[in-house]
Amino acid sequence: QSALTQPASVSGSPGQSITISCTGTSSDVGSYNLVSWYQQHPGKAPKLMIYEVSKRPSGVSNRFSGSKSGNTASLTISGLQAEDEADYYCCSYAGSSTVFGGGTKLTVL
Amino acid sequence: EVQLVESGGGLVQPGGSLRLSCAASGFTFSSYSMNWVRQAPGKGLEWVSYISSSSSTIYYADSVKGRFTISRDNAKNSLYLQMNSLRAEDTAVYYCARSGTAVAGRRGAFDIWGQGTMVTVSS
Repeated sequence: QSALTQPASVSGSPGQSITISCTGTSSDVGSYNLVSWYQQHPGKAPKLMIYEVSKRPSGVSNRFSGSKSGNTASLTISGLQAEDEADYYCCSYAGSSTVFGGGTKLTVL
Repeated sequence: EVQLVESGGGLVQPGGSLRLSCAASGFTFSSYSMNWVRQAPGKGLEWVSYISSSSSTIYYADSVKGRFTISRDNAKNSLYLQMNSLRAEDTAVYYCARSGTAVAGRRGAFDIWGQGTMVTVSS
């Protein structure tokens, strides 16, 4: 199972919006509405930010939103804040396996 | 407080074995499927293995199939990963992660994570 494709890095200024893409195939992202997104700060465990493409767990800011079109999912962060600077990983159910994206480093300028 | 705590990591020689444990608390462990996810130094996340709540369904990533064995003891609220024939490329932080509510019988997202335990395979 190949990893999902994410941009290596994105950046934005405080208050702006950014979008991170996550491209898979018809065997994973394209076949299931089971894409999730994780935020990871250096030295910390990942944290679930979005599940089932666009749902937010309790306690996650509504500045985080997710969507999907075909084989590509997206995470949008609006009103960027300094604490959003982190690595972000997408993930998709793929039948008998689960596949992650390579990760995107978000820099808040 | 819902919590997962991994243990058992350390330094092991290539070809050696190691057994990781994950202690769960704050939720009904026997009702949830569980996973192991790893992260090599400076690299991204890689799903390793899945076990259903009753241990009836088990999956492995191709990279560890035949070498790693996942298991659980619901009476002890514990998840395990037996790692044999270890290679340098198995060097990573290993996280246990809970699968959230299943959707139409399909595994949910990883909603709770432990802090991880480091495994280093080196001579």
